[in-house]
Amino acid sequence: NAGVTQTPKFQVLKTGQSMTLQCAQDMNHNSMYWYRQDPGMGLRLIYYSASEGTTDKGEVPNGYNVSRLNKREFSLRLESAAPSQTSVYFCASSEATGGADTQYFGPGTRLTVL
Amino acid sequence: GDSVTQMEGPVTLSEEAFLTINCTYTATGYPSLFWYVQYPGEGLQLLLKATKADDKGSNKGFEATYRKETTSFHLEKGSVQVSDSAVYFCALFKGTNAGKSTFGDGTTLTVKP
Repeated sequence: NAGVTQTPKFQVLKTGQSMTLQCAQDMNHNSMYWYRQDPGMGLRLIYYSASEGTTDKGEVPNGYNVSRLNKREFSLRLESAAPSQTSVYFCASSEATGGADTQYFGPGTRLTVL
Repeated sequence: GDSVTQMEGPVTLSEEAFLTINCTYTATGYPSLFWYVQYPGEGLQLLLKATKADDKGSNKGFEATYRKETTSFHLEKGSVQVSDSAVYFCALFKGTNAGKSTFGDGTTLTVKP
């Protein structure tokens, strides 16, 4: 039982390049999330998917797109990377029972945009 | 909107010292409250949670009580260990829709032998 997995672990991009961050969970969770973590700013929600087939914007969606490929997988795409997108990106999932959902986090992707 | 405010870090303690990390929140309605911990190089993991007023969450010697009158959820541990060194995040969850979590900025704890 791997939980939440993310690839890649590290990535360096040049300004204007594109890339996709991959996330998968094996806990049969309904909801999945993408966060970015910046020093002194906690976690900020980029996009989330309440259930398979749906996606919604979070607090900081500009410059990103997402795809909920199936119940297991939720990818985050940067179409034209900018230095302001240098951050650590975390994927998370939860059961979405309607109660006090615990979120399960992946190990993160450390992205640097030059 | 909803918000979570944590005491600023970093916090440095000696082994076996008493730990308090303050957390207060602003939210309408009745949120659930969480403490997550992030060890170096890892993602966040749940430490404890409380779902209603006066509930106490506890795990691994850590405790926090949901105080609605003071809108607080302070994290405490009676005797910290070096292995408790990590970043601690207070968070609230409200409503039935996914994506309604709000996180604090995190407090870095370093425990010295």
